[in-house]
Amino acid sequence: AQSVAQPEDQVNVAEGNPLTVKCTYSVSGNPYLFWYVQYPNRGLQFLLKYITGDNLVKGSYGFEAEFNKSQTSFHLKKPSALVSDSALYFCAVRATGGKLIFGQGTELSVKP
Amino acid sequence: DTGVSQDPRHKITKRGQNVTFRCDPISEHNRLYWYRQTLGQGPEFLTYFQNEAQLEKSRLLSDRFSAERPKGSFSTLEIQRTEQGDSAMYLCASSAQTAGRETQYFGPGTRLLVL
Repeated sequence: AQSVAQPEDQVNVAEGNPLTVKCTYSVSGNPYLFWYVQYPNRGLQFLLKYITGDNLVKGSYGFEAEFNKSQTSFHLKKPSALVSDSALYFCAVRATGGKLIFGQGTELSVKP
Repeated sequence: DTGVSQDPRHKITKRGQNVTFRCDPISEHNRLYWYRQTLGQGPEFLTYFQNEAQLEKSRLLSDRFSAERPKGSFSTLEIQRTEQGDSAMYLCASSAQTAGRETQYFGPGTRLLVL
């Protein structure tokens, strides 16, 4: 069965420092992986996805993610965090039929 | 605005009442998904449509839940005889099916509170 794990409930970063939000997955076959961000009382906004090709995927708002097949990971990264990046981040994997299976979410807090 | 829209944004109801939510997908997106998100959790899949056909329903979707997409455009999700456990954010997403490489775009959600 497909699954996604986000091992950290919360990540705290100082503004200007690099950030990493971790995600590991379990799928049979080639994974299609996604990152979404959710601001309070809002829907999910698409950040980036990995389908195939380069292991480093670039997305919106300066975010990127690194796909690592041997470690079954898809960590979200940003070289320099902004206070406005504070939000809830979800990793997801595409399952059979097209539905997404989401992780529990990681709350990112960026302090000035 | 050409994004996914949902109506209402908030709904408060009493236990035992019926509620209906509407989702308008991005134009020409043939797939429409419903998810439910409870506090502190990631969204959980409920059901999805390709055009007007409902192709999959989660075990989370009890008999009290029904969804339709009659003309392959907007969709409705109805909950009958609501229970307090139905309190959640209901999210709708749409996508254009492209050989499995589709991206789902989400609406703002409908937050349901059952008293």
